[in-house]
Amino acid sequence: QSALTQPASVSGSPGQSITISCTGTSSDIGSYIYVSWYQQHPGKAPKLMIYEVSSRPSGVSDRFSGSKSDNTASLTISGLQAEDEADYYCSSYTGTTTPYVFGTGTKVTVL
Amino acid sequence: QMQLQQSGPGLLKPSQTLLLTCAISGDSVSTDSATWNWIRQSPSRGLEWLGRTYLKSTWSYDYATSVKSRMTIHPDTSKNQFSLQLKSVTPEDTAVYFCSRAGRNAPHGLDVWGQGTTVTVSS
Repeated sequence: QSALTQPASVSGSPGQSITISCTGTSSDIGSYIYVSWYQQHPGKAPKLMIYEVSSRPSGVSDRFSGSKSDNTASLTISGLQAEDEADYYCSSYTGTTTPYVFGTGTKVTVL
Repeated sequence: QMQLQQSGPGLLKPSQTLLLTCAISGDSVSTDSATWNWIRQSPSRGLEWLGRTYLKSTWSYDYATSVKSRMTIHPDTSKNQFSLQLKSVTPEDTAVYFCSRAGRNAPHGLDVWGQGTTVTVSS
């Protein structure tokens, strides 16, 4: 199972919106609604931000939203804030005995 | 509040066995509503899912192909924890290892993570 493809970096100014793409295949993103997004600050564990393509866990800001089309998922951060500067990873369920594949990661910089 | 607390050594020599433990508070390793996972992260391999265990009448286990021949996950119901055993480690196993829960509140989303353990394999 190959890693999902994400852009290495995305940047934006405070208040702007940015979108991170995550490209997989018809065997993972294209086949399941179980796409998740994680935020990771340096030295910390990943934090679940989005699950099932577009659902937010309790406590996650509604500035974070997710979507999916065919084999590509996207995470949009609206009203960008300094605290959003972090690495972001997507993940998809695969339906196999290796159930989860992660993306390559995107570094978000707030200018 | 549900928490996962990891413990285990951070430095090993090649060919040794890595043993990490993940203690669960606020949930049960025996629940049928979640799976218990191990993930590692390194600069060369990124985030890599390693394996999981879960109880559905009997205990089930899944392992990534890359570690399947060397890895075992042990659930311990008496201590409410689960552990990772990785045999014959090499420098390529150097990574930060995380335990995580999936499924209870977010289907196939890893919603609770341990703090991470930095493991270095070096002679």
